Amino acid sequence: KAGVTQTPRYLIKTRGQQVTLSCSPISGHRSVSWYQQTPGQGLQFLFEYFSETQRNKGNFPGRFSGRQFSNSRSEMNVSTLELGDSALYLCASSVDRGGYGYTFGSGTRLTVV
Amino acid sequence: AQKITQTQPGMFVQEKEAVTLDCTYDTSDPSYGLFWYKQPSSGEMIFLIYQGSYDQQNATEGRYSLNFQKARKSANLVISASQLGDSAMYFCAMSPMDSSYKLIFGSGTRLLVRP
Repeated sequence: KAGVTQTPRYLIKTRGQQVTLSCSPISGHRSVSWYQQTPGQGLQFLFEYFSETQRNKGNFPGRFSGRQFSNSRSEMNVSTLELGDSALYLCASSVDRGGYGYTFGSGTRLTVV
Repeated sequence: AQKITQTQPGMFVQEKEAVTLDCTYDTSDPSYGLFWYKQPSSGEMIFLIYQGSYDQQNATEGRYSLNFQKARKSANLVISASQLGDSAMYFCAMSPMDSSYKLIFGSGTRLLVRP
C-alpha cells in the first residue's frame, strides 16, 4: 500500500513569505502529526490532528498552523517565515493515537533565505 | 517532565558485528510506548521496533532487538550482524499513552558501519 506522501520534497522561500506543506496519510489512517527537525533543536512535535480536529499542539508560535481535511489529508502553514524556520518537516500518520503504528513520510525540506 | 536521552552522538561498528545503541527515558506515566527509528540521509524516518511498557518480553524484529530494562528506564537497541546499509541516524522515541498524541524523540545516534 502507498506510504505517507509529503509534498513538495524541497522548498526555498524568502523571509516574510508564507508556505504550505501537504501530507497525505496512509489509507485508513485518521491521525496525522507534524514534526520539525533542525540540527539545533532536534525533532520537535508541532501538532496532531484526528478526524479534522487538532488534539494537541506543540510549543511553537502562532505562525505555525495546520488543518486536516475530511479525507485525512493534512496541511501545515507557516506564515511570515523566519530564517530559523529552515528545517525538515516530517509528517506521520497512524490509525489513531499512534502507539505501534506511526509511519513517517520522507519530509519536506524547507530553506528560508 | 518526559524526556529521552541518547548519550552516544556517534558510533562506529565493523560490518557483521553487533552494536548496542543506548537510550534512557524519563516519565512518571505508568503506560507508554518506546520506539526506535532509523533515518538515512534521505530524511525518511523508518520504524524499526516497538516496546510497550507492560510488555514482559523484549521486542525483536529481525536483526533488531530492544533490551528493555524498566526499572532502569532504559531501552537500548541492539543491531546484530551489522550491514553497510545500517549506516544512518537512529532515534529513540517515547509515546506517552495519555492525551498528548505525540512522540518525544532523543537527540539521535549516528551509526557508521565500517567494511
